[in-house]
Amino acid sequence: GEDVEQSLFLSVREGDSSVINCTYTDSSSTYLYWYKQEPGAGLQLLTYIFSNMDMKQDQRLTVLLNKKDKHLSLRIADTQTGDSAIYFCAERAAGNKLTFGGGTRVLVKP
Amino acid sequence: DSGVTQTPKHLITATGQRVTLRCSPRSGDLSVYWYQQSLDQGLQFLIQYYNGEERAKGNILERFSAQQFPDLHSELNLSSLELGDSALYFCASSADRGLYGYTFGSGTRLTVV
Repeated sequence: GEDVEQSLFLSVREGDSSVINCTYTDSSSTYLYWYKQEPGAGLQLLTYIFSNMDMKQDQRLTVLLNKKDKHLSLRIADTQTGDSAIYFCAERAAGNKLTFGGGTRVLVKP
Repeated sequence: DSGVTQTPKHLITATGQRVTLRCSPRSGDLSVYWYQQSLDQGLQFLIQYYNGEERAKGNILERFSAQQFPDLHSELNLSSLELGDSALYFCASSADRGLYGYTFGSGTRLTVV
């Protein structure tokens, strides 16, 4: 079945790197995504990675995928106060729908 | 502005009532998805439509129904409302199968009192 797990909270100092982790259970997942949700707003797609890739870099964002361990991470370099938000990982498996994790609340301290 | 428009932004209604949430997808997108976000259940997939036809169903209650119209806008109908239906309801859209992700609207916050 589909189950996506994330830690609840991450606190980081401005300028440091943040690493948000996610585990999923469905080995048939084909695409995995990271979304950002700011207060009062919808989910904004940050990046995605295909299951046949190990890494994807997009400016300050680096996604690492360990398919063997079903582990996905999002690294944010030089974290800024504007990066404070809830981050969701999501997997796309059979049925074409996205299943989301519970979200990780990231707090950036000055 | 993501291009996905949801109305109303906020809705307060009493138990037992019926409400309709509306979504206009991003221009050119044929697929519409509805999600419910609550504190205890997280983001739950409700239903997907593609070009007017239902494509996938998730954890949608029988009291809830949805449709997608010829102009591609979608409505989510919630009836016999209960306190536990209070949540954020998101609509998202994608061009086709959504391989590259969905675009979300800003949501409708429903409060049932």
